[in-house]
Amino acid sequence: SQKIEQNSEALNIQEGKTATLTCNYTNYSPAYLQWYRQDPGRGPVFLLLIRENEKEKRKERLKVTFDTTLKQSLFHITASQPADSATYLCALLGGGADGLTFGKGTHLIIQP
Amino acid sequence: AAGVIQSPRHLIKEKRETATLKCYPIPRHDTVYWYQQGPGQDPQFLISFYEKMQSDKGSIPDRFSAQQFSDYHSELNMSSLELGDSALYFCASRRMGRTEKETQYFGPGTRLLVL
Repeated sequence: SQKIEQNSEALNIQEGKTATLTCNYTNYSPAYLQWYRQDPGRGPVFLLLIRENEKEKRKERLKVTFDTTLKQSLFHITASQPADSATYLCALLGGGADGLTFGKGTHLIIQP
Repeated sequence: AAGVIQSPRHLIKEKRETATLKCYPIPRHDTVYWYQQGPGQDPQFLISFYEKMQSDKGSIPDRFSAQQFSDYHSELNMSSLELGDSALYFCASRRMGRTEKETQYFGPGTRLLVL
């Protein structure tokens, strides 16, 4: 069956360091992959979309890589700040469905 | 910039009651999605509409139904509510045909508590 895996344990990073989050998927052949940020009790906020023919995409302090051979995406936040603390969700379209399938999310904590 | 609007933001119901959640997409967005997020869970896709027609169905229970109206707003109707229906319900919208058409924009959610 199709599965999206993210490290569900909290990730603690010191302020100013680079945070790296991992998203692995199985039994998907996605045309693109998306990353969202979610704060407690709020709706997911779109961050970045990377297509299968793109190896890397950047937006300000964010960088996403996409390796369709490894079936993995890495999400990096450079020069991390306490305000970056949130849950980060990886999302794919799959199985012919129109709706997104999300990973469980990684809870990122940036410590001052 | 205008965002997705959901109402009500909070709702408390008793078991076996009905509930109606409303979603107003971003102006000129023609596609609406509904997701359910239980405590500590990831959002689960329920159903979607494009141009007022159902376009896809996810894990939506038979007790739930939804529709999209001529002004593109959508309503999720939930009947015979169960305790397990307590969750955050998100609506998302997008506009087909745009370059980043795959991006879905989420609303703030409706928190439903079934007692």
